[in-house]
Amino acid sequence: EIVLTQSPDFQSVTPKEKVTITCRASQSIGSSLHWYQQKPDQSPKLLIKYASQSFSGVPSRFSGSGSGTDFTLTINSLEAEDAATYYCHQSSSLPRTFGQGTKVEIK
Amino acid sequence: EVQLVESGGGLVQPGRSLRLSCTASGFTFGDYAMSWVRQAPGKGLEWVGFIRSKAYGGTTEYAASVKGRFTISRDDSKSIAYLQMNSLKTEDTAVYYCTRGSGSSSDYFDYWGQGTLVTVSS
Repeated sequence: EIVLTQSPDFQSVTPKEKVTITCRASQSIGSSLHWYQQKPDQSPKLLIKYASQSFSGVPSRFSGSGSGTDFTLTINSLEAEDAATYYCHQSSSLPRTFGQGTKVEIK
Repeated sequence: EVQLVESGGGLVQPGRSLRLSCTASGFTFGDYAMSWVRQAPGKGLEWVGFIRSKAYGGTTEYAASVKGRFTISRDDSKSIAYLQMNSLKTEDTAVYYCTRGSGSSSDYFDYWGQGTLVTVSS
């Protein structure tokens, strides 16, 4: 099973700041890495697919990068509505796995 | 507009069974894999399993934690996916999300339902 480890677990950020969340895979997964945002009491939403491809309708301040074992989700100029927990997820092999999540709080 | 609506959740005793349904609309249901993802209270996301589209054999895959107890099926004529849960354990307590799987092998989950809560308790 591929283990995904996100860092940090929690981040408190002021609006307009840049946020960087990393996801490290226990073995190489190519670009089979996807990012989701889950706001409190809501279902998760897809942000980025295949490491760097933005999903339709996602604001341009969200971007993804990386390949192999190290991946990054970047939020440029954080907005108050971005307060959420962010998860990475791999589809390189079965079982599909998720990272433990990174909670982003707005100061 | 793509919509996924789960139903069938509730309180159930350990060892009993429950069947969840996911009714889809807004897309050609038969063309897509359908997955189930769960989230225990206050915890992260856990993949449960998925069923491929008929074009890819309609076969299923499961997480080790549910294999042999849970079964995913689909009725393309009704645009419904099912999650049959048998021999339920207290650790199966979670919100269960139905998701549409896109990509070559249900790679990513581009649409999610609102979730249905399953509570396993005596």
